[in-house]
Amino acid sequence: NAGVTQTPKFQVLKTGQSMTLQCAQDMNHNSMYWYRQDPGMGLRLIYYSASEGTTDKGEVPNGYNVSRLNKREFSLRLESAAPSQTSVYFCASSEARGQGRNQPQHFGDGTRLSIL
Amino acid sequence: QKEVEQNSGPLSVPEGAIASLNCTYSDRGSQSFFWYRQYSGKSPELIMSIYSNGDKEDGRFTAQLNKASQYVSLLIRDSQPSDSATYLCAVMVGGFKTIFGAGTRLFVKA
Repeated sequence: NAGVTQTPKFQVLKTGQSMTLQCAQDMNHNSMYWYRQDPGMGLRLIYYSASEGTTDKGEVPNGYNVSRLNKREFSLRLESAAPSQTSVYFCASSEARGQGRNQPQHFGDGTRLSIL
Repeated sequence: QKEVEQNSGPLSVPEGAIASLNCTYSDRGSQSFFWYRQYSGKSPELIMSIYSNGDKEDGRFTAQLNKASQYVSLLIRDSQPSDSATYLCAVMVGGFKTIFGAGTRLFVKA
């Protein structure tokens, strides 16, 4: 049982290049999330998908797009990478209900992205 | 005002002592609260979930929730050097969205 799998683990890009970060979960969770983590900033939500077929903006969506390809997969795309997007990116999933007692999130190992 | 606030630390305690980590949040409608531990270079891992006012204990960890004061805390009893990590408070707001605090760095001195 792999849980949440992110690829790639490391990537170096040049300013202006594009790339897609992949995330897949095998826990049959309905909700998936993308975060970025910068030193001293904690985790900041970029986009989330409450269920298959839906996506919503989080705290810091500018410069990113997402696709919920199916229930298992949720990808994050940088169309034109900028140095300010250098960060560690985490994907997470959970069996969230949207109200009441929600389940916690399970995280992937992260993607370390550097943009020169 | 940030939605979830934590003291960034570092918090330094001797081995065997109680470590107390605090978190405040702004959304009064929040109903789900979580504490995660994150070792350097690793991903966050869940320590505790808490949903009701009061205390919830799991081994050496106790989470405390006071919705009236919009306050969540985590106590670590008999702290060990292996507890040295960053502790993240997380609060679910508006249904599916989870907001994390910036984290408190804990150092347990042997």
